[in-house]
Amino acid sequence: GAVVSQHPSRVICKSGTSVKIECRSLDFQATTMFWYRQFPKQSLMLMATSNEGSKATYEQGVEKDKFLINHASLTLSTLTVTSAHPEDSSFYICSAQDAGSGNTIYFGEGSWLTVV
Amino acid sequence: DAKTTQPTSMDCAEGRAANLPCNHSTISGNEYVYWYRQIHSQGPQYIIHGLKNNETNEMASLIITEDRKSSTLILPHATLRDTAVYYCIVRPPGGKLIFGQGTELSVKP
Repeated sequence: GAVVSQHPSRVICKSGTSVKIECRSLDFQATTMFWYRQFPKQSLMLMATSNEGSKATYEQGVEKDKFLINHASLTLSTLTVTSAHPEDSSFYICSAQDAGSGNTIYFGEGSWLTVV
Repeated sequence: DAKTTQPTSMDCAEGRAANLPCNHSTISGNEYVYWYRQIHSQGPQYIIHGLKNNETNEMASLIITEDRKSSTLILPHATLRDTAVYYCIVRPPGGKLIFGQGTELSVKP
């Protein structure tokens, strides 16, 4: 299957600071990418849909000013957690839609964020 | 809300076939059935998807009932590395993937 890469895989940041997570589609172009969050022992929760060249669409209850999404190219989307708090500590996972394989969605490896 | 119902957990003996059921009685005519799995602390892995015909690839087979209200994912010869949470998701063309709780499959020696 197609490859989606996330960076960093683990990050620790201090409360009040911002942290950026990158999501890249390595062998295909992705007009649409998705960002999820997953807390321990829970399922994935969709946060937002990222569309190249336009504003992201956020799911209900997700603060767009706190979770900034930028999809500036067909292979890169970034999620910036602003003014991070300990309750933002979670596993963040991106995915990308591959139009070349019937719009199948492939996931990155995930990024563990710990806010201290 | 997820539009599928799956058992919370299942066990399977190593080397045997693992049959994972999924109910999606409210599926619409243009919605696909997708299966993903998530091994602990990793991103979900795409397995297979189908619309109404049965599908097979190198990982698994997907059997969809004629009325499309349920499906079964078959791992023909389960190995210990197949232990994971398996998610059955109904998705409209080009739409979002909304995850439910999935089935925790434990493959035992």
